[in-house]
Amino acid sequence: DGGITQSPKYLFRKEGQNVTLSCEQNLNHDAMYWYRQDPGQGLRLIYYSQIVNDFQKGDIAEGYSVSREKKESFPLTVTSAQKNPTAFYLCASSTFRTTNEKLFFGSGTQLSVL
Amino acid sequence: GDSVTQMEGPVTLSEEAFLTINCTYTATGYPSLFWYVQYPGEGLQLLLKATKADDKGSNKGFEATYRKETTSFHLEKGSVQVSDSAVYFCALRATGNQFYFGTGTSLTVIP
Repeated sequence: DGGITQSPKYLFRKEGQNVTLSCEQNLNHDAMYWYRQDPGQGLRLIYYSQIVNDFQKGDIAEGYSVSREKKESFPLTVTSAQKNPTAFYLCASSTFRTTNEKLFFGSGTQLSVL
Repeated sequence: GDSVTQMEGPVTLSEEAFLTINCTYTATGYPSLFWYVQYPGEGLQLLLKATKADDKGSNKGFEATYRKETTSFHLEKGSVQVSDSAVYFCALRATGNQFYFGTGTSLTVIP
């Protein structure tokens, strides 16, 4: 079955530590996205990538970094510069075949600060 | 810029009540419109979509019609069930392949 796999499901970060959230898809999608979701709020775009080795900042990129070395993978690093990292992180992917294609979502990673 | 404005919640309904969640959008061009549903601790799942004016998306008893004249895509269901309790997000796909989401509406259905 095709889909998006996010890991881990839960992650804890210590003060001053960088942590990396994994996102892998086997849907052969060109575009991948990272969103942050805070309780009771909508989704805010962190980064997105439309092609391998290229990515763009979203609305809240500060304190985060990404890479896109393979089509299937789009890991997100939450750096120590992100002072309020506690949130639910969602990875998504889509294709460009037509403009009505939906976003496919992973099951999310809950990041908390120790 | 492109954006989605969604009715704020939370919404609490009794089982078998009628549901409406309002959604309006601002976009250049002709976006595709979506409703997603999120259950606790999970990612978002597509509920329904519409790709052009006057299209009606439907799934699991939910419906929404793409109204270009009012720039709206309201979600409706005639008779909600306890299992419909979730957070619902309205979204649009803009011409630049970016997606824009509303803030979500939490629905609780009580027996």
